Amino acid sequence: AQSVAQPEDQVNVAEGNPLTVKCTYSVSGNPYLFWYVQYPNRGLQFLLKYITGDNLVKGSYGFEAEFNKSQTSFHLKKPSALVSDSALYFCAVRDSNSGYALNFGKGTSLLVTP
Amino acid sequence: KAGVTQTPRYLIKTRGQQVTLSCSPISGHRSVSWYQQTPGQGLQFLFEYFSETQRNKGNFPGRFSGRQFSNSRSEMNVSTLELGDSALYLCASRRDSQAFFGQGTRLTVV
Repeated sequence: AQSVAQPEDQVNVAEGNPLTVKCTYSVSGNPYLFWYVQYPNRGLQFLLKYITGDNLVKGSYGFEAEFNKSQTSFHLKKPSALVSDSALYFCAVRDSNSGYALNFGKGTSLLVTP
Repeated sequence: KAGVTQTPRYLIKTRGQQVTLSCSPISGHRSVSWYQQTPGQGLQFLFEYFSETQRNKGNFPGRFSGRQFSNSRSEMNVSTLELGDSALYLCASRRDSQAFFGQGTRLTVV
């Protein structure tokens, strides 16, 4: 079985400050991890993924994420937040043993204030 | 390159009716998956098709079905609609390990 937890429903950060959106996962095989962003009334936009290799993954729009196997975490980070980063963020996992279905977390709403 | 296209964008249906949603994947992508997004349950996997064959299915009742055509376009059908089927239905086409999502079809059941 595979699962994803996003412990925070909402994260508030001031523009220019660093942001972190947390994600932990549980899989039986090797994890394939993803972050997506969703703007109102839109689909999901891909930000970044971890399949294998370096634990620090760089993605779109200045976002990055750190894979931590011992803590089973894949937190999303950005050094300096923008107001336009305000959106709903989803962490997703795919288990290498379970086909290509993505298992999503419940989402974290990020609000960046000027 | 065009992205994933879903039609229609919005639908209003009455309880008991059936509905068909359409998805055109990115050119060259042979895998199409469908997801349901609701405020209460979040994003849930419905099914995946690859080369016209269903490869994986989520935990949804048999009222939810799909198919894929030889050009990789996919349709999903929901029969005997219930109020709880109101949701944003998202389609994704996949190449290798990465899924690309369409903008979704917002279905409202009244």
